[in-house]
Amino acid sequence: DGGITQSPKYLFRKEGQNVTLSCEQNLNHDAMYWYRQDPGQGLRLIYYSQIVNDFQKGDIAEGYSVSREKKESFPLTVTSAQKNPTAFYLCASSIRGVRRVEQFFGPGTRLTVL
Amino acid sequence: AQTVTQSQPEMSVQEAETVTLSCTYDTSESNYYLFWYKQPPSRQMILVIRQEAYKQQNATENRFSVNFQKAAKSFSLKISDSQLGDTAMYFCALSNDMRFGAGTRLTVKP
Repeated sequence: DGGITQSPKYLFRKEGQNVTLSCEQNLNHDAMYWYRQDPGQGLRLIYYSQIVNDFQKGDIAEGYSVSREKKESFPLTVTSAQKNPTAFYLCASSIRGVRRVEQFFGPGTRLTVL
Repeated sequence: AQTVTQSQPEMSVQEAETVTLSCTYDTSESNYYLFWYKQPPSRQMILVIRQEAYKQQNATENRFSVNFQKAAKSFSLKISDSQLGDTAMYFCALSNDMRFGAGTRLTVKP
């Protein structure tokens, strides 16, 4: 079955540590996205990538970094520079350049900073 | 700037009744798509319905329909014959820059 996988489902981090969230898709989609979800604020775009080896900042990129070395993978690193990293993180993908097509979402990762 | 606004943080409806969720948006583009996504307690985002800005006819998917008012930049979702499984967060989204509204938490009561 085609889809998006995110791991781990739950992640705990000590303050000052970097942590990487995994996102993999086998839908052959060119575009991939990372969102952060906080209560009452909906989804906010962190980074997105339309093609391999290229990515752009979203609205809240500070304290985060990404890479896109393979079409299938778009890992997100939450660095120690992110002041309030506790949140639910969603990865999504879509066909590039086709606006009528919706985004497909992974199951999410809940990150908690201890 | 392109924004999406959902002014109803929470709503509730009795099972089998009809409820309407509101969404307004702002964009300078002429060609765009609007979406409603559902996020149940499992937190898996699911597409409910989509609307193309160029189409005057409102989209319908079974019990879900939209009221798209392009001039007013309004895109409301109507759920008919509400079911307990409709309990979820509902997000309105604009295609062009992948922006989502803050969401409306809908509770369907038995």
